[in-house]
Amino acid sequence: QKEVEQDPGPLSVPEGAIVSLNCTYSNSAFQYFMWYRQYSRKGPELLMYTYSSGNKEDGRFTAQVDKSSKYISLFIRDSQPSDSATYLCAQGAQKLVFGQGTRLTINP
Amino acid sequence: DAGITQSPRHKVTETGTPVTLRCHQTENHRYMYWYRQDPGHGLRLIHYSYGVKDTDKGEVSDGYSVSRSKTEDFLLTLESATSSQTSVYFCAISEKDYEQYFGPGTRLTVT
Repeated sequence: QKEVEQDPGPLSVPEGAIVSLNCTYSNSAFQYFMWYRQYSRKGPELLMYTYSSGNKEDGRFTAQVDKSSKYISLFIRDSQPSDSATYLCAQGAQKLVFGQGTRLTINP
Repeated sequence: DAGITQSPRHKVTETGTPVTLRCHQTENHRYMYWYRQDPGHGLRLIHYSYGVKDTDKGEVSDGYSVSRSKTEDFLLTLESATSSQTSVYFCAISEKDYEQYFGPGTRLTVT
């Protein structure tokens, strides 16, 4: 079993929809959880991070960690075509463990 | 790409040849990392460095070596390239635990 599991999709939704991306993790030792966004043929870029459990909001994006169920979520409100990308969740400190990424397409 | 360059950006090489990929940063960050990205596997850590001449293995280090003689440069060497090492290689840097910044990637094909 991989330490961080993520549904690879692909996920396709209409513009303006609320998007929910999810990961599960197995190792409870690490407290930092990150979401990266990766456009095609580009390097990943850090979108958000959370420490321990709870929610963190940044504009249209909300990251959520539920430690009781070992669930990591990213919500995108009012989704835009420019949000079309692969989203990767990660856990850890220096040595990050990544999920395999979910490919998201927002259709105009 | 946060002051990170990777060279070469594309390389095709033959099985059995040595290959060196270079990562260069202008941010003076302490930590540097090499990852590979493959379909179905996501990003996997190969090696990382926590200072000049200080390196450690990651999840998929077999067949790879690294060196860091200066803060700004982190080299990844494939001693004898194999087809299974065909991948996209990303360098990353960080100063804090949770903030890693990635370079543009190197596409390596081993024929």
